[in-house]
Amino acid sequence: QKEVEQNSGPLSVPEGAIASLNCTYSDRVSQSFFWYRQYSGKSPELIMSIYSNGDKEDGRFTAQLNKASQYVSLLIRDSQPSDSATYLCAVYSSASKIIFGSGTRLSIRP
Amino acid sequence: DTGVSQDPRHKITKRGQNVTFRCDPISEHNRLYWYRQTLGQGPEFLTYFQNEAQLEKSRLLSDRFSAERPKGSFSTLEIQRTEQGDSAMYLCASRRGGDEQFFGPGTRLTVL
Repeated sequence: QKEVEQNSGPLSVPEGAIASLNCTYSDRVSQSFFWYRQYSGKSPELIMSIYSNGDKEDGRFTAQLNKASQYVSLLIRDSQPSDSATYLCAVYSSASKIIFGSGTRLSIRP
Repeated sequence: DTGVSQDPRHKITKRGQNVTFRCDPISEHNRLYWYRQTLGQGPEFLTYFQNEAQLEKSRLLSDRFSAERPKGSFSTLEIQRTEQGDSAMYLCASRRGGDEQFFGPGTRLTVL
């Protein structure tokens, strides 16, 4: 079992719709959770961080965390073509390092 | 631009040669990380520094790899006797304490 798992996609969503990205993790003592966006050939760019159960909203982005289910999600409202990218889920483990999932490719179709 | 810089941005080398990459973190960030990323995968943790101390080292990091962070400022990652399997994007990231981690632009290594 991978430490951080994501569906590789591609996930295709029409412009203006909500894109929903999911991530599960295995280390129950994980404390901090991050979503990064990565365009092809570029380095990851931090979008959201979440530390406690529930929802956290920032503009069109909402991160959701459920520690009991070991599940993190990212919702993107009013999806735009510029949102087309790979989204990486990252989990701060107990060993002072951040573990990344393999990423989900998101494609927003006009 | 996150404030983390890496040099060079691209490196092409022949198998068996040594290469060295540099990372300059955001100045007030005491934690520095090196990752390797190949196509279709997320970044894989290589090593982690808190100030000048190397606190974690992945088992992915063979003895051909070495990293330093003298004086707790910039860091270097050296790969000796490069192999074609070392071709990847090498990413550096920094963070202050438990805050978010910010990535540099990466160094793309191609081993011929």
